[in-house]
Amino acid sequence: KQEVTQIPAALSVPEGENLVLNCSFTDSAIYNLQWFRQDPGKGLTSLLLIQSSQREQTSGRLNASLDKSSGRSTLYIAASQPGDSATYLCAVRDSDRGSTLGRLYFGRGTQLTVWP
Amino acid sequence: DVKVTQSSRYLVKRTGEKVFLECVQDMDHENMFWYRQDPGLGLRLIYFSYDVKMKEKGDIPEGYSVSREKKERFSLILESASTNQTSMYLCASIPGTSNEQFFGPGTRLTVL
Repeated sequence: KQEVTQIPAALSVPEGENLVLNCSFTDSAIYNLQWFRQDPGKGLTSLLLIQSSQREQTSGRLNASLDKSSGRSTLYIAASQPGDSATYLCAVRDSDRGSTLGRLYFGRGTQLTVWP
Repeated sequence: DVKVTQSSRYLVKRTGEKVFLECVQDMDHENMFWYRQDPGLGLRLIYFSYDVKMKEKGDIPEGYSVSREKKERFSLILESASTNQTSMYLCASIPGTSNEQFFGPGTRLTVL
C-alpha cells in the first residue's frame, strides 16, 4: 500500500523567505502527484498537479518538482507572505486502475506559518 | 470554475440518528469521493463512485453507506451515528477532462 510522508510537520518562517516543503512516497508507480492547500476549517484547494511523466510544474510563486524514481516531490514557495499560512498536503494517485479511478493517498501535511 | 458544494458546513446530531451528507458538483464529473479528516490521521477515503448507481468502498467504509442516483449528487449516509464519527467530512470530484481532484468546503459533523 502506498504511504506518503511529509516533512516537516510544521514550519514557521518570517515573511520574505524562500522555503521548501517535502513529500515522499513509497511506491514509485504513480499516475500523478497533486499539492493542495488547506486553510483552517476549510476544504482543500488544488495548487499544482504533476503528471508522472513531468518533472515540475509552476504557478506564480509556487514550483513543484517530482522525482518519481526516488519517490520524492518538493513544493518550493518563493518570497513567502503571511497569506501563505496554511496546511499544505501532498497526494499521489496510484496507477493501478488507470487515469481517473486510481486512488489518492494523502500525506498528513505541513502546517506553515509565515509571520510578518 | 469548477464547483463542489456540500449541504452543510456544520452539523450536530445525536447518537443513533440517521445522518445524510450531500455533495453536489456542477461540471458533469463522473468520479466522486467522500473522505473524513481527523487530527493526526489525515484524510481517509470512505467511499467513491465512478458512475451513477456505482460505488466502491474506500479504506474505512464501516458505519457508512452512499447513494448516487444522479451524476451530480453523491450522498454519504450514517445509518446510526456514533460519537466516533465526529469528524470533518470532505467531498471531492474529478472532471472527465483532467485528473485534478477538486474538493468541497467540508462538513464539520459533531455526534453527541
